[in-house]
Amino acid sequence: EAGVTQFPSHSVIEKGQTVTLRCDPISGHDNLYWYRRVMGKEIKFLLHFVKESKQDESGMPNNRFLAERTGGTYSTLKVQPAELEDSGVYFCASSQDLGTRVYEQFFGPGTRLTVL
Amino acid sequence: AQRVTQPEKLLSVFKGAPVELKCNYSYSGSPELFWYVQYSRQRLQLLLRHISRESIKGFTADLNKGETSFHLKKPFAQEEDSAMYYCALSLRDTGFQKLVFGTGTRLLVSP
Repeated sequence: EAGVTQFPSHSVIEKGQTVTLRCDPISGHDNLYWYRRVMGKEIKFLLHFVKESKQDESGMPNNRFLAERTGGTYSTLKVQPAELEDSGVYFCASSQDLGTRVYEQFFGPGTRLTVL
Repeated sequence: AQRVTQPEKLLSVFKGAPVELKCNYSYSGSPELFWYVQYSRQRLQLLLRHISRESIKGFTADLNKGETSFHLKKPFAQEEDSAMYYCALSLRDTGFQKLVFGTGTRLLVSP
């Protein structure tokens, strides 16, 4: 079974440019999460999708970040315009439908974003 | 606010020595606690969760609600245990969806 995949693995852009990160969750996983680790700090939650709906976007830093999950499959996270402080590693994770159980979140390899 | 504290950035031990990676949390309710591990050039993966009460790769962790701790322990460290370890919690308030991570502890096991 293929795990969570993310594209690109690395992205280097200049301040003010736009970048779009993509995440493909494990097939059949309705829950999709985005997290971010800024250098030297903890991994922070950004948002959570259930299928195509945003369930919790309390961690999104500001309106320069836009996440979508069209059709409830893959998700994109767009940063426009990028700022220096957006540099970090962006992780995507997915899990099965929760129900009454706490299901494991499976993480992708991450996208390392560098804003110059 | 919910918070997870891992006081050690780096823990360096010799092979065969006992290991304890510390994790404390602040949350007034009943959280679910996890340890995630990231080996070199691999992705973040779940090591263990407190509700399972199991031992994985020789590691155990006990939730101490009185001390709000969830320390990770292994009696005899192996070189292959060298990795980055993250303690995390999820909250009933968010349906146990959102994970709150600590800053991580790098474990280095030397021969």
